[in-house]
Amino acid sequence: GAVVSQHPSRVICKSGTSVKIECRSLDFQATTMFWYRQFPKKSLMLMATSNEGSKATYEQGVEKDKFLINHASLTLSTLTVTSAHPEDSSFYICSARVAGGLEETQYFGPGTRLLVL
Amino acid sequence: GENVEQHPSTLSVQEGDSAVIKCTYSDSASNYFPWYKQELGKRPQLIIDIRSNVGEKKDQRIAVTLNKTAKHFSLHITETQPEDSAVYFCAPNSGNTPLVFGKGTRLSVIA
Repeated sequence: GAVVSQHPSRVICKSGTSVKIECRSLDFQATTMFWYRQFPKKSLMLMATSNEGSKATYEQGVEKDKFLINHASLTLSTLTVTSAHPEDSSFYICSARVAGGLEETQYFGPGTRLLVL
Repeated sequence: GENVEQHPSTLSVQEGDSAVIKCTYSDSASNYFPWYKQELGKRPQLIIDIRSNVGEKKDQRIAVTLNKTAKHFSLHITETQPEDSAVYFCAPNSGNTPLVFGKGTRLSVIA
């Protein structure tokens, strides 16, 4: 149980275009989802907390107008990287907490590798 | 916010030896202490966790010990195997906040 999927697993796009990444909880409802970014040989850095039905909470230094987050249902959150640039190339990983479950446990998706040319 | 430090940043051990990774944190409200293992290009996977009401937890070759007074907890891997080679992250948490990860420890087990 507690499976999180992401789509796509990898994407290559041209500079200036937008890319949407989906994060789904497959067998549970998630009122809260989190988006992380990981550069090569670095740790996971929290970008934002996505709450179902309300605005996302962004970490300091993360541009909310560049990284659009939508959490329209209890099983789906999307991250859109707008006007992507090469420096946005990274590994993006989402995670989710089970609604009504142990509040600390986060289940991670497999990640999306983004390459901006 | 939580200030997390992991040591060492890299660790090489011979197969069969033990490995210990230490995580120190700053937030005295932290009450949940997980360790994650991440293989190259994969998602982080929870391998063991402990809550503040206990001092030690063991699961086969893996154990976690907690010292709340000193604000640190450690991951112990015994009888290491090549498949234990990965990056390990700690993420101390107070329960109602997102996991914030340490910088990671790259473990190499040499056959």
